[in-house]
Amino acid sequence: EAQVTQNPRYLITVTGKKLTVTCSQNMNHEYMSWYRQDPGLGLRQIYYSMNVEVTDKGDVPEGYKVSRKEKRNFPLILESPSPNQTSLYFCASSLFRQGRAFFGQGTRLTVV
Amino acid sequence: AQSVTQLGSHVSVSEGALVLLRCNYSSSVPPYLFWYVQYPNQGLQLLLKYTTGATLVKGINGFEAEFKKSETSFHLTKPSAHMSDAAEYFCAVSLTGANSKLTFGKGITLSVRP
Repeated sequence: EAQVTQNPRYLITVTGKKLTVTCSQNMNHEYMSWYRQDPGLGLRQIYYSMNVEVTDKGDVPEGYKVSRKEKRNFPLILESPSPNQTSLYFCASSLFRQGRAFFGQGTRLTVV
Repeated sequence: AQSVTQLGSHVSVSEGALVLLRCNYSSSVPPYLFWYVQYPNQGLQLLLKYTTGATLVKGINGFEAEFKKSETSFHLTKPSAHMSDAAEYFCAVSLTGANSKLTFGKGITLSVRP
């Protein structure tokens, strides 16, 4: 089954404690991206990757890092989380940048 | 650059009534247009998409949308709402150029009254 898998689904952490949200896709997609969803703001892109070792900033990249060492994986790293990063995060993949995106189930992050 | 406007944040309809969710876009070149649905505690799923060809696009769960270039619109409709349609709906646009990306509207929550 084609899918994008994110872990964990829920995470509560404290300010400043580094964390990683994993994302993996099994569709051999080249394009992957991370979004955050906040009430009234819709989905905003954090980072994206066109292919292995190729990543770039989206609309709201501050406070986040990503890496793309393998085609299937695209982890999101928060090196020093702050309360304003409390949000619902989605990983997505697609065959190409403009195409249909497949989304993970989401990770609800709370930073206290 | 492209943008998407979904007016209003919440629509409420009675079960069996027409569903109409509006989406307008701006772009300087032919767009790809999408509607996604997000059920509670789930990720986004594709409802339907327009790339080229027929301007009336049919999707899953009885939804359809019509691309109207003259109005720069891609409104989502369903003739008869069902309780299970209650969800958040996102319109999205991308362009055919190499540097384009998928841009989402702010989303609209659909409630269905019994």
